[in-house]
Amino acid sequence: QSALTQPASVSGSPGQSITISCTGTSSDIGGYEYVSWYQQHPGKAPQLIIYDDTWRPLEFSSRFSASKSGNTASLTISGLQAEDEADYYCSSYTNKNSLVFGGGTHVTVL
Amino acid sequence: QVQLVESGGGLVRPGGSLRLSCAASRFTLTDYFMSWIRQAPGKGLEWISYISSNGRATYYADSVQGRITISRDTAKNSLLLQMNSLRAEDTAIYYCARMKMIRDVILTYAMDVWGQGTTVTVSS
Repeated sequence: QSALTQPASVSGSPGQSITISCTGTSSDIGGYEYVSWYQQHPGKAPQLIIYDDTWRPLEFSSRFSASKSGNTASLTISGLQAEDEADYYCSSYTNKNSLVFGGGTHVTVL
Repeated sequence: QVQLVESGGGLVRPGGSLRLSCAASRFTLTDYFMSWIRQAPGKGLEWISYISSNGRATYYADSVQGRITISRDTAKNSLLLQMNSLRAEDTAIYYCARMKMIRDVILTYAMDVWGQGTTVTVSS
């Protein structure tokens, strides 16, 4: 199972919005409503920020939102803040009863 | 507070074996699907295995198929990962994670509780 494709890095200024893409295939992203997104700060465990394509856990900021079109999922961070600087990973269930992650995107707040 | 704590990592020679444990607190392991994910130094996340809530179904990534076994110790409310024939490329931080359920019955295939990780180094 090949990893999902994410840009290596994305940057933005405080207050701006940025979007991270995650591209897979009809065997994973496009075939199910099981895309999730994770935030990981250096030296820390990942934290779930989006599940089931677009749902956000109640405890996570509403500045994070997600969407999906075909085989590509996207994560948008609005009102970018310094604490949003981290690595972001997408993940999807696949038709082989497995899970697959994207390569990760480093977000830099300028 | 719901918590997962991994243990059992360490330095092992190529070809060796290691067993990782993940102790769950404030929830019952057998009510959830549970997963292992690893992260090689400076690299991204890699899913390697998950087990169903009833323990009857287990799934593995191709990269570890045949070399690892996921299981549970229900008496200790712990998730286990037996790793054999270890290779240098298995060097990573190994995380256990709980797979999120909605209203206790709907599986999301998303990991909502993560441990802090345990480090496995395979080197001669």
